[in-house]
Amino acid sequence: GAVVSQHPSRVICKSGTSVKIECRSLDFQATTMFWYRQFPKQSLMLMATSNEGSKATYEQGVEKDKFLINHASLTLSTLTVTSAHPEDSSFYICSARDMMSGAGANVLTFGAGSRLTVL
Amino acid sequence: DAKTTQPTSMDCAEGRAANLPCNHSTISGNEYVYWYRQIHSQGPQYIIHGLKNNETNEMASLIITEDRKSSTLILPHATLRDTAVYYCIVRSFGNEKLTFGTGTRLTIIP
Repeated sequence: GAVVSQHPSRVICKSGTSVKIECRSLDFQATTMFWYRQFPKQSLMLMATSNEGSKATYEQGVEKDKFLINHASLTLSTLTVTSAHPEDSSFYICSARDMMSGAGANVLTFGAGSRLTVL
Repeated sequence: DAKTTQPTSMDCAEGRAANLPCNHSTISGNEYVYWYRQIHSQGPQYIIHGLKNNETNEMASLIITEDRKSSTLILPHATLRDTAVYYCIVRSFGNEKLTFGTGTRLTIIP
């Protein structure tokens, strides 16, 4: 089945530094990937839609300059948290749909998530 | 996409069938019902989806009422590994986004 890999699974950084999280579709191609954020004991919140070869679409309230998304190929999207602060500490999860799957199925495969801790 | 309502939490004895309800009374004709689950500290996992007919796969069964205003996810023989938060999501055809609600926290009791 479709597999989405995220790296790193855990990262700890100092306040003010930038952190990059990679999301790869291992056995399928994805023109669109999605980035979510999840705070403890809360549900997943969609941050942005990553589009291969074009700019990402951000959800309302998400700072595009702080959360930089690049989708340079059909199998890789990256999320960079710039100038990270403790309030950015969260669980970041990406997902993707196999572009060859039927539109009716529209099943998203999720990565295992990346836990960011900003000190 | 239509809003869904799920119980906050449920318990189920190991080996029994777990029945998770979902209300989606404002669902429209082109909207599908999807179920995902999230085991602690992992990414969500797809379970099953349907439009109006009942569906079954190796993981679960999905029962959708005739008026489509509610559905039930059935895990036929729950195991401890089925302990997770289960999300019922309604999404229209062609909409790739998934919007998560609060879900049901299912605890399987030995």
